[in-house]
Order: sequence, then C-alpha cells, then structure tokens
Amino acid sequence: RKEVEQDPGPFNVPEGATVAFNCTYSNSASQSFFWYRQDCRKEPKLLMSVYSSGNEDGRFTAQLNRASQYISLLIRDSKLSDSATYLCVVRGKDSSYKLIFGSGTRLLVRP
Amino acid sequence: SAVISQKPSRDICQRGTSLTIQCQVDSQVTMMFWYRQQPGQSLTLIATANQGSEATYESGFVIDKFPISRPNLTFSTLTVSNMSPEDSSIYLCSATGTGGRNYGYTFGSGTRLTVV
Repeated sequence: RKEVEQDPGPFNVPEGATVAFNCTYSNSASQSFFWYRQDCRKEPKLLMSVYSSGNEDGRFTAQLNRASQYISLLIRDSKLSDSATYLCVVRGKDSSYKLIFGSGTRLLVRP
Repeated sequence: SAVISQKPSRDICQRGTSLTIQCQVDSQVTMMFWYRQQPGQSLTLIATANQGSEATYESGFVIDKFPISRPNLTFSTLTVSNMSPEDSSIYLCSATGTGGRNYGYTFGSGTRLTVV
C-alpha cells in the first residue's frame, strides 16, 4: 500500500464548478499535512498547509480527519488558472522532516 | 520561504557519463533534500543532504550512484553517476527550516535530464 494515496483523475470540470480532491495516508503518526500544486514542467509549490481544525484560503478549503487518516481539498468557483496537478503531501512525526508525496490529482478546468 | 537556484535546468548526456546538479539557497536552511520525478509520476525522495556529513539515502538509492555533498547550510550537489537511459528524469532539490510544525518547503526549478 502506498503511504499517501490520491485519485489520479483527471478531473475535467467547467469554469465555476466546485471540485473536491481526496487523499488518504497510511502512517497514523504523521504530523504535518500539505497540499502542493504543480504546473506542467514546473516545480511543486505550496498551496496550503492542512490543520486539524480545517482551514480556508479564499476559494480553497482543506480538511483533515486524523481518525480516518483522510485529507481533502475543496476548490470553489474553479478558474482556468486552477488547471494543474494537486499533490497531497504528508510529513511524519520523526525528526527526518521528510515529505512523502501522493501521486497527484490532475485538474483540467475548461471554459 | 527560501529561494532556491538550481542548475543546470536541463541537460542531455551520454550513457556512462556523470552529471552534477547544484542547488544554492538564498538563506540558511536546516534541511535539504533531493527528489526524482519520472515522467507522469510524483516525487520520490532520493536522500536527505546532511551538512558536513554523509547523506541519508532512501531505499533503492545508493551513494555510489547518487553521491551528494552539502558543504554548508546553503549549498548542495547531487551527482548522477554512470548514467543510463533509465536515469532520464527530473531531479529537484528542496529545502526547509525547522521553525515550526507547518513550515514551508521550497523547491528548486528542477533539472530535466535526458540520457541517450
């Protein structure tokens, strides 16, 4: 089983749609959680950290369910510029500070 | 967040040769990492670059194939040795401080390597 699992997509949605990405992680000791965005032929960039209480940044809402080891990202009012691959990322509780990446979910927003 | 300059951005190399990739961070960072991203895949951690000591490699990666240096807190190199076409990939470095639980990790822009 992969440490971090995501639906690979692609998700093909019209502008203005709401889209949700899901992610599960296998290590219950994981401590920190992130969503990264990666555009084609670019490096990953941090979209948002994910907190236990849930957090929102504009059109983006992230949720964490530690009991179910489940992370989600909701994008409201999708824009063409949201088209990218969204990576679910987890860091363990150990002192290595290593990030473990999911395989990514590709989003295509069409006009 | 730190800013990372990575070079070269791309290279085409003959099999059997070696390529050294450099990453320079604009501020002192605690942790530096090297990742590989094969076409259509996500990022796989190669190793943690430790300042002043040998890197810590992940399963499936060895020092003889991917020697890493980190002489100070702002600079690291990854060498891909005795290359074969299977080494064709994007290689990325990453850096972070350790000031808090949800600190940011920054990535270099990547090195696109093609081995022919």
